[in-house]
Amino acid sequence: DQQVKQNSPSLSVQEGRISILNCDYTNSMFDYFLWYKKYPAEGPTFLISISSIKDKNEDGRFTVFLNKSAKHLSLHIVPSQPGDSAVYFCAASVGGSNYKLTFGKGTLLTVNP
Amino acid sequence: DVKVTQSSRYLVKRTGEKVFLECVQDMDHENMFWYRQDPGLGLRLIYFSYDVKMKEKGDIPEGYSVSREKKERFSLILESASTNQTSMYLCASRVPGGGYGYTFGSGTRLTVV
Repeated sequence: DQQVKQNSPSLSVQEGRISILNCDYTNSMFDYFLWYKKYPAEGPTFLISISSIKDKNEDGRFTVFLNKSAKHLSLHIVPSQPGDSAVYFCAASVGGSNYKLTFGKGTLLTVNP
Repeated sequence: DVKVTQSSRYLVKRTGEKVFLECVQDMDHENMFWYRQDPGLGLRLIYFSYDVKMKEKGDIPEGYSVSREKKERFSLILESASTNQTSMYLCASRVPGGGYGYTFGSGTRLTVV
């Protein structure tokens, strides 16, 4: 049973526009959420996180929104740049400790110049 | 910065061989993890360790074992490699108490022929 779902395998946007990546979860015990970015042949790197006590967290061009009632979070990238082209993984943990993360399947973002 | 080093970037092994994947972290972290990444399946947890000589099964431990004799080193062992274990293997170390989740190594692309 997939507890973290990224239903869009891929997304293509133009440079300068907004990229919106979505993630849904089923486990109501999740209380800490993270986004990772992965380039080919490299390990994932941490991007941004949000605790369930918040509904928004912002870091530069990246903003994560959390809708607990809908069990949905999204990552907004504004403006999108070609260097943002990568696979983005949504992850969640229980207890806020990020001790054990459950990952989604990932979304491949392509930003076209 | 935390560094997580995986000893090999690419490996080719024969079916039935015993395979060792090594991972070393340089920040004295208690928690270390092994994931595999496959297209369309995302990152799946194989095993994790929360201290020396301690280990727990993840979601897909079959066909694998692990060893943690020293805090900085966490080894993944394929007892008898099979073609369905061809994958990208990712080691991670946890940043304790931080909001960053895991720090990942660069990955080992294993091909079993």
